[in-house]
Amino acid sequence: DTAVSQTPKYLVTQMGNDKSIKCEQNLGHDTMYWYKQDSKKFLKIMFSYNNKELIINETVPNRFSPKSPDKAHLNLHINSLELGDSAVYFCASSQVGDRGNHFGNGTRLTVT
Amino acid sequence: LAKTTQPISMDSYEGQEVNITCSHNNIATNDYITWYQQFPSQGPRFIIQGYKTKVTNEVASLFIPADRKSSTLSLPRVSLSDTAVYYCLVGDIAGGTSGTYKYIFGTGTRLKVLA
Repeated sequence: DTAVSQTPKYLVTQMGNDKSIKCEQNLGHDTMYWYKQDSKKFLKIMFSYNNKELIINETVPNRFSPKSPDKAHLNLHINSLELGDSAVYFCASSQVGDRGNHFGNGTRLTVT
Repeated sequence: LAKTTQPISMDSYEGQEVNITCSHNNIATNDYITWYQQFPSQGPRFIIQGYKTKVTNEVASLFIPADRKSSTLSLPRVSLSDTAVYYCLVGDIAGGTSGTYKYIFGTGTRLKVLA
């Protein structure tokens, strides 16, 4: 009974392609996030969405765009993929009064 | 947002107590201190959170001195399965009314538990 689930788990694609990563949470949380973890294991927040409103954008390239069709989903679309986009992308969610983020298990993106 | 500094790696043996210290000199009044654990190929998992003094739960204790410029995560009697990366973060737990947390993850501490 996964709380935050991401698909796919692995994604291998070529430079210049456009791809999407899906995220769903069944916790009823109001806020969802996308994080990027690079090869050095630095984990950086990219976006958060609260009630369908983007409230954090940590200066990521505009090739990255979060899309939230409803409160339970926050998908990440990436256009014109570059080699440097290779990383593990984590989706997370949180709720007011909660103690922190609940993370999914990540999507490993490899751009060749 | 406050930045954290913690040791890059630590080794321990099964059954020992492990203490991981984190420095956060620029912690703000509204910031809480949160620790996460991350296993390979998994997302970070919340361990413990505190504001001041000491907090204890079923898996760890968190010690925070009065000046709050550092904190220590204590793992009692570690086992091989505690081998993971441990992240210390500071951030505003309340996140305003939105419940959004502006966390900055540091490099983490890679704990290796040996048999």
